[in-house]
Amino acid sequence: GEDVEQSLFLSVREGDSSVINCTYTDSSSTYLYWYKQEPGAGLQLLTYIFSNMDMKQDQRLTVLLNKKDKHLSLRIADTQTGDSAIYFCAELNTGFQKLVFGTGTRLLVSP
Amino acid sequence: DAMVIQNPRYQVTQFGKPVTLSCSQTLNHNVMYWYQQKSSQAPKLLFHYYDKDFNNEADTPDNFQSRRPNTSFCFLDIRSPGLGDAAMYLCATSRDRRGRTADTQYFGPGTRLTVL
Repeated sequence: GEDVEQSLFLSVREGDSSVINCTYTDSSSTYLYWYKQEPGAGLQLLTYIFSNMDMKQDQRLTVLLNKKDKHLSLRIADTQTGDSAIYFCAELNTGFQKLVFGTGTRLLVSP
Repeated sequence: DAMVIQNPRYQVTQFGKPVTLSCSQTLNHNVMYWYQQKSSQAPKLLFHYYDKDFNNEADTPDNFQSRRPNTSFCFLDIRSPGLGDAAMYLCATSRDRRGRTADTQYFGPGTRLTVL
């Protein structure tokens, strides 16, 4: 199957850390991605991780990958109000050679 | 800056009136994609071009067509838009898609289609 699941909503206070979780089903996925979508806008690529990595850090963003549990997370340190958006995880389905998106997590950052 | 451009950003059409959405890219990527995204949903792939090779998703309605006259441009044609076709349409590109690593897709800002 090609299900990628995320929790629908996350609310944090400015300055706190945010952790957005994602579970996927395709164990043969080579790449997993995080995209950010602000209201009325397209998808902005935030970061991606190759399947042979456990962790990737990029400034305020940390991606953790647990292949055994097929679990991916995105941690945003020092969350700002400008981080408020919908975050999509996506896996590259190598069998069908296409991106499979999760349901999206709406992050709300309050001052 | 290299980028993916979509025009127009907002498009209003009437029920049944054909409409064309445009995408262009300066990334020189050989793969271009069209996605449909309805409110509060994930993007859904409609089709993609690998160079001039057109690849339709099995569940894409016949009402949706695409053209790619050259590397830089790709068009989405909706022959007879229905109310259910109102959505955000996203164009994306990637460098290569078969047998390569890092098939990262870069998205345009989208065109929001309203059907009256």
